[in-house]
Amino acid sequence: EAQVTQNPRYLITVTGKKLTVTCSQNMNHEYMSWYRQDPGLGLRQIYYSMNVEVTDKGDVPEGYKVSRKEKRNFPLILESPSPNQTSLYFCASSPFQVDSSNQPQHFGDGTRLSIL
Amino acid sequence: KQEVTQIPAALSVPEGENLVLNCSFTDSAIYNLQWFRQDPGKGLTSLLLIQSSQREQTSGRLNASLDKSSGRSTLYIAASQPGDSATYLCAVKHFNKFYFGSGTKLNVKP
Repeated sequence: EAQVTQNPRYLITVTGKKLTVTCSQNMNHEYMSWYRQDPGLGLRQIYYSMNVEVTDKGDVPEGYKVSRKEKRNFPLILESPSPNQTSLYFCASSPFQVDSSNQPQHFGDGTRLSIL
Repeated sequence: KQEVTQIPAALSVPEGENLVLNCSFTDSAIYNLQWFRQDPGKGLTSLLLIQSSQREQTSGRLNASLDKSSGRSTLYIAASQPGDSATYLCAVKHFNKFYFGSGTKLNVKP
């Protein structure tokens, strides 16, 4: 089954304690992305990657890091989490060929992070 | 910078009504526009994707239109059902990035 898998689904942690949210897709997609969703603000893109070893900032990258060492995995790293990073996080993937404008994004089920 | 707006923020209708959800974007240089459904506590499910060269897409009771020049898209839901109750989000692909609206929360009353 084609899917995007995020772990963990829920995490409560404390300020300053480094954490990693994993994301894996089994569709051989080139493009992967992280979003955060906050009430009234919709989804905002944090980082994206167009292929292995190629990453770029989205609209709200401050306080986050990513890496893309393998095509299927795109972990989100919070080196020193703060309470304003409490949010619902989504990972997504899609193809990124030249003629991929008709390919939808596929989303994971989300990770709810609470930073105390 | 691309900005996406969805109106209304919430909508409550009786079962059986036809309804229209609106999405507008500020920069017409988009590759595609996608409509999603999000149920409480769940991820996003893709409903329809319209390429920039297309005017509309249909899937069952759903029809999405795109007017790129005016920066607007509509999602038409025919004969609404209680199972349609969810938040509906639109997103545009603008160069290599995606921009989302804040969604319309739909409640269909039995």
